[in-house]
Amino acid sequence: AQSVAQPEDQVNVAEGNPLTVKCTYSVSGNPYLFWYVQYPNRGLQFLLKYITGDNLVKGSYGFEAEFNKSQTSFHLKKPSALVSDSALYFCAVRDIEGQNFVFGPGTRLSVLP
Amino acid sequence: KAGVTQTPRYLIKTRGQQVTLSCSPISGHRSVSWYQQTPGQGLQFLFEYFSETQRNKGNFPGRFSGRQFSNSRSEMNVSTLELGDSALYLCASSSRPVAGARTDTQYFGPGTRLTVL
Repeated sequence: AQSVAQPEDQVNVAEGNPLTVKCTYSVSGNPYLFWYVQYPNRGLQFLLKYITGDNLVKGSYGFEAEFNKSQTSFHLKKPSALVSDSALYFCAVRDIEGQNFVFGPGTRLSVLP
Repeated sequence: KAGVTQTPRYLIKTRGQQVTLSCSPISGHRSVSWYQQTPGQGLQFLFEYFSETQRNKGNFPGRFSGRQFSNSRSEMNVSTLELGDSALYLCASSSRPVAGARTDTQYFGPGTRLTVL
């Protein structure tokens, strides 16, 4: 069965600095990977996904993610963090056999002014 | 294009009562999935409906049920509410069934926050 780990409950970064939110996965076969963001009292908003092709995926709001098959990772990155990026970030995975999305536990990102 | 809408946004119920939550998917989307989000358990899949048929079900008791109408709108019902049912219930839609379209993106509504007293 597929699974997702987000090893950090909380990530703090200063505004203007680069940010990374980590995600590792376990699936059988090729993975389909997604990042979502959740602001307080809101649903999840889609940021980006990796299906195939270029390992660097660009998404909404200046975010990008790098797929690394050998390390089974799909880390979310942004070159310059904004205070408004502060939110809860979820990584999700599906595999070839997967029926559902499996979400990681979430990482709370705090961007400090 | 309007996003996924969920009603009501907030609900307060007491133990033993039942509740019905509603979800309207993005226009043209025929798949609706439901998730429960709690601080302790994170996001957990409840079930998915496509073309009025339940396609998949998560590991929840039979008190949790749902249905989908011909216009793709979906309702979720929880009977005999327990304190542990307090959660944010999220609905997500996609154009094709989740199992048959692994590359499709699910789009989420704002959720219904249910509090059971």
